[in-house]
Amino acid sequence: GENVEQHPSTLSVQEGDSAVIKCTYSDSASNYFPWYKQELGKRPQLIIDIRSNVGEKKDQRIAVTLNKTAKHFSLHITETQPEDSAVYFCAATPSNYQLIWGAGTKLIIKP
Amino acid sequence: GAGVSQSPSNKVTEKGKDVELRCDPISGHTALYWYRQRLGQGLEFLIYFQGNSAPDKSGLPSDRFSAERTGESVSTLTIQRTQQEDSAVYLCASSLVIGGEQYFGPGTRLTVT
Repeated sequence: GENVEQHPSTLSVQEGDSAVIKCTYSDSASNYFPWYKQELGKRPQLIIDIRSNVGEKKDQRIAVTLNKTAKHFSLHITETQPEDSAVYFCAATPSNYQLIWGAGTKLIIKP
Repeated sequence: GAGVSQSPSNKVTEKGKDVELRCDPISGHTALYWYRQRLGQGLEFLIYFQGNSAPDKSGLPSDRFSAERTGESVSTLTIQRTQQEDSAVYLCASSLVIGGEQYFGPGTRLTVT
C-alpha cells in the first residue's frame, strides 16, 4: 500500500523568507496530492492540491511541485507571514482510494 | 451550505465508561472518515465509509472502537470501556467521493479521567 513520508517535522523560518516542505510517496499509482493546513486548535483545511498530469501549480504565495519519477512533491511558501504559522500535512492517493497522510510539519514564522 | 458538524464538542468521561461521538457529514458526500489526533500529533486514520460498501476498519486501534453509518448520513463512533490513552481530539471528515477533498468537522475533544 501507499506510504507517505514528510520532512522536516519542524521548520522555523524568518518572516519574509521562503519555506519548503517535502513529501515522498511509495505507490506509483498515486495521482492526487493535496496539502492541508491546520492552525492551532482548528480543523485541517485544504490549501492547494496537484494531480499527476501537471508538474507545478501556484496560488499566490504558495506552490506545489511534483516529480513523478522520483515520487516526491513539495510545498513552497514564499514571503512568509505570521499567519502562515501552522502544521502542514501532505497526502497522496491513487484513484478511488482514501488519502494517505504524512506525519505533518510544524512551520514557525519568526518575527 | 452547512459544513461537517460533530457533537459533542467536548466530552469528559471516567475511565471504563462508554462514549459515543457523532458526525454529520456534508449532504451528498458519499465518503466519511474518522481520525484521532493526539495533542501535537498527526492524523491517525481510524475508519472510513464509502457509500454502501463495507467500511474500511483497518485503522481501529482495538475492538473497543466501533463505528456505524446509515447510508450516506450520520455516523457514530463508539469507544467502549474508555482508557486514558483514548484522550484525544476525534475528527470526522467527508468527501464527495473517496479520495477527493476532505472537509473536516471541528472535532470532539475527549478527555478520559
